[in-house]
Amino acid sequence: GAVVSQHPSRVICKSGTSVKIECRSLDFQATTMFWYRQFPKQSLMLMATSNEGSKATYEQGVEKDKFLINHASLTLSTLTVTSAHPEDSSFYICSARDLTSGGDTDTQYFGPGTRLTVL
Amino acid sequence: GQNIDQPTEMTATEGAIVQINCTYQTSGFNGLFWYQQHAGEAPTFLSYNVLDGLEEKGRFSSFLSRSKGYSYLLLKELQMKDSASYLCAVMDSNYQLIWGAGTKLIIKP
Repeated sequence: GAVVSQHPSRVICKSGTSVKIECRSLDFQATTMFWYRQFPKQSLMLMATSNEGSKATYEQGVEKDKFLINHASLTLSTLTVTSAHPEDSSFYICSARDLTSGGDTDTQYFGPGTRLTVL
Repeated sequence: GQNIDQPTEMTATEGAIVQINCTYQTSGFNGLFWYQQHAGEAPTFLSYNVLDGLEEKGRFSSFLSRSKGYSYLLLKELQMKDSASYLCAVMDSNYQLIWGAGTKLIIKP
């Protein structure tokens, strides 16, 4: 079964509004979560790395004031798209790193994604 | 429930061919993706299959059988740089991605 969930699964909003997307690890604690953006049939583009209890690390070219990330607990990270515009429409995917999985620090579990459409 | 199965780890020799299998049980089907992920990097898109059959793209090919809930990724002329994790993901009827746990491929000289 799924070990990482995202909510909502899809959202349609008006231009200028803010949208919050939640990412939860269900059966493990994740000190690190990742937020990706995916365009159709393309690679996942890493937006930021979310660390529990500290500020997120953003990739070059990603506006931290537009994509607010909060990793409030070991099982929850949120991505808020502020003042969304049509060009922000995309498929947003999170993943969580499970540090308890046999010591393999690169085991990532991916969420099902959130489809954002900004009108 | 929804489920994707792929082997946890495979080992192959440089120059050889390896096939990574993926079986799935999902509520609906809107395509199957294969991604390559090197340690510490984001997944790279390899292929997308929505119809039955074989899709060839250079050294990599991907096959899909919807009736069997089965796909494989075929890697030919293996190179050391192909050592990575390979992720199988299915998009279900709600356009949500269901992910496999990934197959760690180890290439030996």
